[in-house]
Amino acid sequence: GQNIDQPTEMTATEGAIVQINCTYQTSGFNGLFWYQQHAGEAPTFLSYNVLDGLEEKGRFSSFLSRSKGYSYLLLKELQMKDSASYLCAVRDNTNAGKSTFGDGTTLTVKP
Amino acid sequence: GAGVSQTPSNKVTEKGKYVELRCDPISGHTALYWYRQSLGQGPEFLIYFQGTGAADDSGLPNDRFFAVRPEGSVSTLKIQRTERGDSAVYLCASSSGQYNSPLHFGNGTRLTVT
Repeated sequence: GQNIDQPTEMTATEGAIVQINCTYQTSGFNGLFWYQQHAGEAPTFLSYNVLDGLEEKGRFSSFLSRSKGYSYLLLKELQMKDSASYLCAVRDNTNAGKSTFGDGTTLTVKP
Repeated sequence: GAGVSQTPSNKVTEKGKYVELRCDPISGHTALYWYRQSLGQGPEFLIYFQGTGAADDSGLPNDRFFAVRPEGSVSTLKIQRTERGDSAVYLCASSSGQYNSPLHFGNGTRLTVT
C-alpha cells in the first residue's frame, strides 16, 4: 500500500518563501504530483516529478528524492491567493493507475 | 475546452436510499477516476476506469458501491442503501491515460445522508 505524510498546517508571510514537505512509503512508484485545492473547490494540478531533482515552474518548484521517499513543494514570492491546501499524491506503478493522496497541508498566507 | 462535469452538485438523501452520481470527463480522456473527500482529508481513491473497464476497484469500501462507464465516456457511481457515513464530497477526475498525465477534477458532488 501507500503511506503519505505531510504537515497539517503552515503559516507564512506575503512575499516570503515556503517549503511544504511530503514523505511517502509506497509499494510502487510512477511519479509524484502536487495539487492545489482552495476551500470548497476541486484540486488543480501544480507539478509532476518522476526523476530525482528539481522541477521549476514560475513561482512554484518541486523536488523529488526517490531513494529517500521525499518531495517538497517550494512556493516563492507568496501571494494572498496562495492560501490553500496543498496535496501530495503518488501514482501507482501501472501506467495511469490510481494516485494516493496525502491529507494535504493547509497554507495560510498573512499580510 | 470543457472540463470535467459532475451532476448533481449537491445531493441530500435519507439513510437507506439509493443514489446515482454522474461524471462527464474531458473529451478524449481514456482514464476516469472516482474519489471521495471528507473535510480535512485528502481525496480517497475509490475506482479507476481505463476505457470501459474498471482497471482498479480496490478502493470501493463495500458492495453497496458500484460504478459503470458503459461507453468509455460518462461514468455513474451508484450507492445502494446509503448510510450516514457515506456523506462526503465525491470527486471525479479524468486523464489522458499517460503515466505522467495529471488528474483533472470536476467540482464534485456533495452527498449528505440524513
